[in-house]
Amino acid sequence: AQSVSQHNHHVILSEAASLELGCNYSYGGTVNLFWYVQYPGQHLQLLLKYFSGDPLVKGIKGFEAEFIKSKFSFNLRKPSVQWSDTAEYFCAVGGYSSASKIIFGSGTRLSIRP
Amino acid sequence: DTGVSQNPRHKITKRGQNVTFRCDPISEHNRLYWYRQTLGQGPEFLTYFQNEAQLEKSRLLSDRFSAERPKGSFSTLEIQRTEQGDSAMYLCASSPDGTAGTGELFFGEGSRLTVL
Repeated sequence: AQSVSQHNHHVILSEAASLELGCNYSYGGTVNLFWYVQYPGQHLQLLLKYFSGDPLVKGIKGFEAEFIKSKFSFNLRKPSVQWSDTAEYFCAVGGYSSASKIIFGSGTRLSIRP
Repeated sequence: DTGVSQNPRHKITKRGQNVTFRCDPISEHNRLYWYRQTLGQGPEFLTYFQNEAQLEKSRLLSDRFSAERPKGSFSTLEIQRTEQGDSAMYLCASSPDGTAGTGELFFGEGSRLTVL
């Protein structure tokens, strides 16, 4: 069955701390991987995506994620978080076929202490 | 505004009533998705369209739910005989055809349904 697991439900960090949010997926075949972010009161928006090539992808606002195929993982990282990073983060996976749907994990709420 | 538009933004209804939500995607996007999101959960896939063709429906979508995209532009999601368990945020997203695989989703603000 297709699924996405995000093991951290709520993460609390102080400003300037480093961040890593876990994401594991189960999805047959070649995949495309995404991280979406939802800031308070706003709609979901794309943070970064992996389609092919370099497994280390960089997104907006200093975020990056690494695709490790052997571990079925796509963890999100940021070396130094800011208070403005407070948001909910969702990992998502879609199939390589143009007819594939995209499914989401349950999300990780990130709270940054100023 | 050229983003994804959803209406109404909030609907309060009594159990047993029918409700309909509308989504206007970004005009050049061929794919349109419906998701449901409840508090503390990620978006749950309901169905999606490639132009006017409905390609897949989730098993979560009971017979009370129906979605259409008659001309390949806007889409409607109708819930008949609403139940309290239908209370959720209904999200619409659109996506251009990717040259390889699924493309980025552009989400609307959502339509929040409250069933009393």
